[in-house]
Amino acid sequence: EAGVTQFPSHSVIEKGQTVTLRCDPISGHDNLYWYRRVMGKEIKFLLHFVKESKQDESGMPNNRFLAERTGGTYSTLKVQPAELEDSGVYFCASSRLQNTGELFFGEGSRLTVL
Amino acid sequence: GENVEQHPSTLSVQEGDSAVIKCTYSDSASNYFPWYKQELGKRPQLIIDIRSNVGEKKDQRIAVTLNKTAKHFSLHITETQPEDSAVYFCAASQPGGSSASKIIFGSGTRLSIRP
Repeated sequence: EAGVTQFPSHSVIEKGQTVTLRCDPISGHDNLYWYRRVMGKEIKFLLHFVKESKQDESGMPNNRFLAERTGGTYSTLKVQPAELEDSGVYFCASSRLQNTGELFFGEGSRLTVL
Repeated sequence: GENVEQHPSTLSVQEGDSAVIKCTYSDSASNYFPWYKQELGKRPQLIIDIRSNVGEKKDQRIAVTLNKTAKHFSLHITETQPEDSAVYFCAASQPGGSSASKIIFGSGTRLSIRP
């Protein structure tokens, strides 16, 4: 089966611009998570979807970040307007609704804000 | 909420020696503790996990121990090999819970195996 896919793999934008990251979870996985890793720090939780509903968005930094999962399939994470501190690797992960605990990660989208 | 601390941040060991990475967690309700390995340029992947009803679990050269009383858990890699070089993340969560099903990660340990 196909794994979690993320697009783009790398994005370089200027401060103030907008970027949209996309995640396609494994088919049949109702849980979808967004995480971010800044160099040398933890993989920080951003938010969790169950199907199309936001289960927990307590990790979202501020209102410049907007995540959607229309139809409960793929998800997008938009950053508008981007700031320097938004740079990092954004990981998406998915798991089945009957969650045994294991997350299946994508390869990440590296965002560089100049 | 849950907070996971991980040490050391970097670790270099001679090939064939053992490596130990330690983590502590804050939420006594956490009951699932996975370890992920991220090789350079690749996605994090689960290598081993332990649930709170056991104190130790082993899979070939990898073992994890859990001390619920002290709220700490460790990853042990024996007979290290070059392919063990990677960043390792510990994590804690409460799978199957309501709003608490997210996994909280530590800051990672960059393990380097010296030939």
